[in-house]
Amino acid sequence: EPEVTQTPSHQVTQMGQEVILRCVPISNHLYFYWYRQILGQKVEFLVSFYNNEISEKSEIFDDQFSVERPDGSNFTLKIRSTKLEDSAMYFCASKILRDGWGQETQYFGPGTRLLVL
Amino acid sequence: GESVGLHLPTLSVQEGDNSIINCAYSNSASDYFIWYKQESGKGPQFIIDIRSNMDKRQGQRVTVLLNKTVKHLSLQIAATQPGDSAVYFCAEIMTGTASKLTFGTGTRLQVTL
Repeated sequence: EPEVTQTPSHQVTQMGQEVILRCVPISNHLYFYWYRQILGQKVEFLVSFYNNEISEKSEIFDDQFSVERPDGSNFTLKIRSTKLEDSAMYFCASKILRDGWGQETQYFGPGTRLLVL
Repeated sequence: GESVGLHLPTLSVQEGDNSIINCAYSNSASDYFIWYKQESGKGPQFIIDIRSNMDKRQGQRVTVLLNKTVKHLSLQIAATQPGDSAVYFCAEIMTGTASKLTFGTGTRLQVTL
């Protein structure tokens, strides 16, 4: 069964450093998302991406964040200068183009646990 | 602001019993709802979904009920098994191009033997 994959599973970085989180969405999906989950809290939307551009972004997704689809398979989230409060689990999700029942469902990867020291 | 929330943070049930997990939503414009299961250290896993033009939808051992009058959503799990132990989230969407998910705070389901 196709699934979303993410690398690395864990990332430890120093405050102020840049990190890049990588995702490989399900191959025939066209909408891509990043969410984050601070420990013990709910999952929060960061950004959605379609047709090589950002569709929507939340207040969390400030100028320190960027997303890119550098090739036909990868979808990346970059944090330019990490802060302590960026420590969280980051989930990538993808969705097929809506064409019927259930097609709004987003499928999530296993996540990258980011720890900023 | 608009939000999705859960009434019970932890639910403990005996193996074999039925579980009911509740969710309240406040955005009346939401027209699609999904229940996700999240096991420790893993990403949210799709369980079942329902559109706002339906009241009930059944899957394998799971049923989702939607009451639009009181903006309430529930997930029923029949014959709960130890493998059902996880945190359950409801999420809402206003369908559209990007359709971001708005998640509730989650309910932890503990299945006791």
